[in-house]
Amino acid sequence: KAGVTQTPRYLIKTRGQQVTLSCSPISGHRSVSWYQQTPGQGLQFLFEYFSETQRNKGNFPGRFSGRQFSNSRSEMNVSTLELGDSALYLCASSPLEGERVGYEQYFGPGTRLTVT
Amino acid sequence: AQKITQTQPGMFVQEKEAVTLDCTYDTSDQSYGLFWYKQPSSGEMIFLIYQGSYDEQNATEGRYSLNFQKARKSANLVISASQLGDSAMYFCAMRLKMNYGGATNKLIFGTGTLLAVQP
Repeated sequence: KAGVTQTPRYLIKTRGQQVTLSCSPISGHRSVSWYQQTPGQGLQFLFEYFSETQRNKGNFPGRFSGRQFSNSRSEMNVSTLELGDSALYLCASSPLEGERVGYEQYFGPGTRLTVT
Repeated sequence: AQKITQTQPGMFVQEKEAVTLDCTYDTSDQSYGLFWYKQPSSGEMIFLIYQGSYDEQNATEGRYSLNFQKARKSANLVISASQLGDSAMYFCAMRLKMNYGGATNKLIFGTGTLLAVQP
């Protein structure tokens, strides 16, 4: 079974631009979560989707948005990029809505975004 | 506040020896899950082991075991017979329910421990 895939793997953008990152979960998984990882702030939760609905959102400005499609693939968008948005963006998939606090999430390889 | 604390920024261990990575958590919830992930320099987060708050036995997965002490709110990872390939960053994480009691897959991560295995 293929794992979680994220595209692109590396990205360089300029301040003020916008960027779209893509995540394809493991086949059959309906939940996708996004995380931002930086040396200063560590791993921070961005948002979570299940069956095309955003179920939870982290403490990030409105420049960060996301969506999930009917095939469970998810995209996140960052508009008006700032230098501080340079980070590794990780996507995770789970098979179910988190009804039971009892199963793992599988992460993709991440997209490393550099804002210059 | 719901929080994960990893107090060891870095650790060294000799190859073939066992090592314990510390993790304490803070939550008032009764139902929660605790996870350990490994992150090599490539960046991918690799799931290692999971412990549910109601699980009576400590979780084990091959060379990994989780020393779960609920009263102390600790969930330490034990790696037996360390290998050079174990050199990586290790993160402890917790999953909770949402404020209204609903479900979420949101994980709260600790700051990580960088493990270096020496030959």
